Amino acid sequence: AQSVTQLDSQVPVFEEAPVELRCNYSSSVSVYLFWYVQYPNQGLQLLLKYLSGSTLVKGINGFEAEFNKSQTSFHLRKPSVHISDTAEYFCAVSEVDNYGQNFVFGPGTRLSVLP
Amino acid sequence: ETGVTQTPRHLVMGMTNKKSLKCEQHLGHNAMYWYKQSAKKPLELMFVYSLEERVENNSVPSRFSPECPNSSHLFLHLHTLQPEDSALYLCASSQDAQDTGELFFGEGSRLTVL
Repeated sequence: AQSVTQLDSQVPVFEEAPVELRCNYSSSVSVYLFWYVQYPNQGLQLLLKYLSGSTLVKGINGFEAEFNKSQTSFHLRKPSVHISDTAEYFCAVSEVDNYGQNFVFGPGTRLSVLP
Repeated sequence: ETGVTQTPRHLVMGMTNKKSLKCEQHLGHNAMYWYKQSAKKPLELMFVYSLEERVENNSVPSRFSPECPNSSHLFLHLHTLQPEDSALYLCASSQDAQDTGELFFGEGSRLTVL
């Protein structure tokens, strides 16, 4: 069965500093990986996704993530954060089996960008 | 219009009330989902519909009753709820339930059960 771990429940960081949000997953088959962002009182918005190909994936708002199969990780990074990046970030993994696509979400990491 | 629209955005109901949450997607997708988001817990998948047919029901109590009249609309009928059912209910859609595409989420309906 799939599972997703986000080790950091909260990450405070100063504005313009770099940030890395960690995500590890477990799965017995090929997986597809996603990062979503949730701003207060809103739904989830896709930041980026890895389906195949290059292991370095670039997304919206200057975020990128690197798929590392040997370490079963998909960490999210941004070289310089802005106040507006304050939000909850969710890593998700999906598998496709005979019954369809199954998404499993991590517990989320709350990023707080401080002035 | 946004891709996935949910109404109402906020709902307060008593334990004996009957209410419904509505979701509409304007993306031409074939699959729709209900998720529950509670504080301090990961998103929980409740129901999946593919081409208006329910394909997954994750052991959800019968006080939650989904309805998918067509591929663009999804409802969640609520009756005799408990206070622990208070949460953010998120609707999502994807191109196909058997595909590898991402989920597109609505903004959610914040439910409070008194």
